[in-house]
Amino acid sequence: DVKVTQSSRYLVKRTGEKVFLECVQDMDHENMFWYRQDPGLGLRLIYFSYDVKMKEKGDIPEGYSVSREKKERFSLILESASTNQTSMYLCASLPARPQPQHFGDGTRLSIL
Amino acid sequence: AQKITQTQPGMFVQEKEAVTLDCTYDTSDPSYGLFWYKQPSSGEMIFLIYQGSYDQQNATEGRYSLNFQKARKSANLVISASQLGDSAMYFCAMRGDDKIIFGKGTRLHILP
Repeated sequence: DVKVTQSSRYLVKRTGEKVFLECVQDMDHENMFWYRQDPGLGLRLIYFSYDVKMKEKGDIPEGYSVSREKKERFSLILESASTNQTSMYLCASLPARPQPQHFGDGTRLSIL
Repeated sequence: AQKITQTQPGMFVQEKEAVTLDCTYDTSDPSYGLFWYKQPSSGEMIFLIYQGSYDQQNATEGRYSLNFQKARKSANLVISASQLGDSAMYFCAMRGDDKIIFGKGTRLHILP
């Protein structure tokens, strides 16, 4: 069974802090994604990566960066956290077509 | 442009009844996949069912079935004999050409 693991289920940080959200998958998938989910807005893609050291901006990349140094790990970085980045963050990996994405359990991030 | 529409923001259904969650999509890609995910209040995204655009038969997985009407561009999720544990948010998603888009979701409430 595919496993996508996010490092924290709940995280509380302060405004201005640099925040790292880690995601690891164990199935050698090329593609990995970071989404945020907010009430009424559904899932919005922040960044995705289709290979090691490769990244592409999604729909809402502002205020975020990502790192993919190893195939199994995709990190989301909030350079200087702000209160409007309080949200649920979901990581996903994607195998070759035609399979669906596999999601981690999510991280509920609160920025105070 | 690709688009997923879920027109029902919320639904209430009596336990043991069948329920249909609507999903329509738009794409010019001839090859695509359609998925449904369940997200309980705990936040994790659970993959339910997949339908490929070239599949001849409607997909079924236990109590879940996908009513795929290609000409109408609809991919409704049918849950038979609903249970209290089916109360959750449900997302329809489409994959084409390595891009995944999600609908805004339908919140399903199962009433005892």
